[in-house]
Amino acid sequence: TQLLEQSPQFLSIQEGENLTVYCNSSSVFSSLQWYRQEPGEGPVLLVTVVTGGEVKKLKRLTFQFGDARKDSSLHITAAQPGDTGLYLCAGAPANAGGTSYGKLTFGQGTILTVHP
Amino acid sequence: NAGVTQTPKFQVLKTGQSMTLQCAQDMNHEYMSWYRQDPGMGLRLIHYSVGAGITDQGEVPNGYNVSRSTTEDFPLRLLSAAPSQTSVYFCASSRRTSGPTGELFFGEGSRLTVL
Repeated sequence: TQLLEQSPQFLSIQEGENLTVYCNSSSVFSSLQWYRQEPGEGPVLLVTVVTGGEVKKLKRLTFQFGDARKDSSLHITAAQPGDTGLYLCAGAPANAGGTSYGKLTFGQGTILTVHP
Repeated sequence: NAGVTQTPKFQVLKTGQSMTLQCAQDMNHEYMSWYRQDPGMGLRLIHYSVGAGITDQGEVPNGYNVSRSTTEDFPLRLLSAAPSQTSVYFCASSRRTSGPTGELFFGEGSRLTVL
């Protein structure tokens, strides 16, 4: 069973601060996704990273996939109250062909609260 | 744009009762899956399907059954509810890809309480 350890579990910061969320595993993943979830809703995809060492930017959010494809990070610059939510990392198994069949291993999630 | 629709949104059961959580998607996605979400544990895969007539177990399948008779529908059945099945259940669908995993589209969730 592949496991993803996500940290920290809770993050409470002031508007304008920077933050980083980490997602670590001893297993290799073919790709890794980050989702954001609002209360009462399902997770929504933010980004997919595929190549070891890959960096993707989405406005103030920067996502990185580790060189060995075992870990990932999400960095938010100048956080805003609208960034508040639950952030989830999810890895696709490194099986033959690379497709996950919709099966993902999720981290425990990081609840981010950004205070005005 | 319906996407993935789950019903009911809320349900309270007594221990031993059975029920079915419904899931329907209108995006013609091949893959569908059921996850449960518990505090501090992220989402855990219960069952998944790669197409009509094909299902398989995920990480936590015990106490749940699924079937996939059509591309659109993927119901989850609780055979004899237990308090440990109190959770929020999410249905998801995704397009078949030959490369990296595609985006999972989630329903809004079904909150189940078992007394």
